[in-house]
Amino acid sequence: GESVGLHLPTLSVQEGDNSIINCAYSNSASDYFIWYKQESGKGPQFIIDIRSNMDKRQGQRVTVLLNKTVKHLSLQIAATQPGDSAVYFCAEINSGGSYIPTFGRGTSLIVHP
Amino acid sequence: DGGITQSPKYLFRKEGQNVTLSCEQNLNHDAMYWYRQDPGQGLRLIYYSQIVNDFQKGDIAEGYSVSREKKESFPLTVTSAQKNPTAFYLCASSIGSYRQRDNQPQHFGDGTRLSIL
Repeated sequence: GESVGLHLPTLSVQEGDNSIINCAYSNSASDYFIWYKQESGKGPQFIIDIRSNMDKRQGQRVTVLLNKTVKHLSLQIAATQPGDSAVYFCAEINSGGSYIPTFGRGTSLIVHP
Repeated sequence: DGGITQSPKYLFRKEGQNVTLSCEQNLNHDAMYWYRQDPGQGLRLIYYSQIVNDFQKGDIAEGYSVSREKKESFPLTVTSAQKNPTAFYLCASSIGSYRQRDNQPQHFGDGTRLSIL
């Protein structure tokens, strides 16, 4: 299992750069995946989702890529802005099971002006 | 606007005291969930309810209790048996697995931060 610590993985980028945040999921039966953004002191906000019958989905400035072979998910943020600074985490769901999501620990994105 | 409201935003508990965290949603969602978030950790499921008058334990239910008397409300009580209650508590809701026509994400409230006095 994943080691537990007080410090999240951190990605520091300059404003305007593209950001890529990665997530490894654990259950090969998972077929629905969600990315959330959590700002300090707030609840997670939905960003984008993807089903396992797709390998790419685009939103506004965000793209999610799914590689089922290696159980890997990534979130790409184009032209990163200071307002994108937050913790980002993924969730995996087996829609044929209890539909209870399993959440990743998250990555802290810091955008420098 | 539809959404999930958690109250209070900050809560302090004295030793031996039970405290109750409120969660209300007006999204007409069947399923509701309580999570605990500790620094640097992922969300851990405390309890969940997929329908009124029914709920199940999650991964860390010990020291907590819930009720689901109304579809809109899912209060969480942190009992004195929970020896390490200091954390950020998040409530979420979703359409509900048993009538999923399409995959839908969970929606979250803005959390309650509980501390020990």
